[in-house]
Amino acid sequence: GQQVMQIPQYQHVQEGEDFTTYCNSSTTLSNIQWYKQRPGGHPVFLIQLVKSGEVKKQKRLTFQFGEAKKNSSLHITATQTTDVGTYFCAGLNSGGYQKVTFGTGTKLQVIP
Amino acid sequence: NAGVTQTPKFRVLKTGQSMTLLCAQDMNHEYMYWYRQDPGMGLRLIHYSVGEGTTAKGEVPDGYNVSRLKKQNFLLGLESAAPSQTSVYFCASSYVLGPQHFGDGTRLSIL
Repeated sequence: GQQVMQIPQYQHVQEGEDFTTYCNSSTTLSNIQWYKQRPGGHPVFLIQLVKSGEVKKQKRLTFQFGEAKKNSSLHITATQTTDVGTYFCAGLNSGGYQKVTFGTGTKLQVIP
Repeated sequence: NAGVTQTPKFRVLKTGQSMTLLCAQDMNHEYMYWYRQDPGMGLRLIHYSVGEGTTAKGEVPDGYNVSRLKKQNFLLGLESAAPSQTSVYFCASSYVLGPQHFGDGTRLSIL
């Protein structure tokens, strides 16, 4: 079945440093969604990417969908303590029976 | 709008006991999902529903049952709780396969 892996699993950064998490799917995706989960909270939807090579920005966050639609990345510029949490990607497979598969998540810790 | 509401928020059970977790959404979403989240394991799909009266198995369905008698409600049942089912349970809903809206979660401990 479809697998969605994220790397790294954990990341510690000094406040002000940049951070990137990568999402890789074993199959081609129709779209990819990104979620953020604060410690003790629930996942909250951030953004959805649909087109091959698509890049979207939300303030300091930049999301990219790969040309082959099998990978994606989330880059945070100049991290802040409010960025702490776990970031999940979720891929919708293309063709056949469609379903959304969540990635394994990247836990970000920002050191003040 | 309340969004997705889960009850209860916390529960402690003894091995072998049964219980039902309730999820209610007021967004008229067709799709509803139950996940469990364990440390370092991400979100694992237990069961899901694509509409009233329908349910389907997810990645880890064993030991759980679900029902979707009304469009706005999705129930998750544990017939005979086991310590391995200690986890945080999240319910979510969405329009078809769109962005998922999550509830606050139920923290379940089984002794």
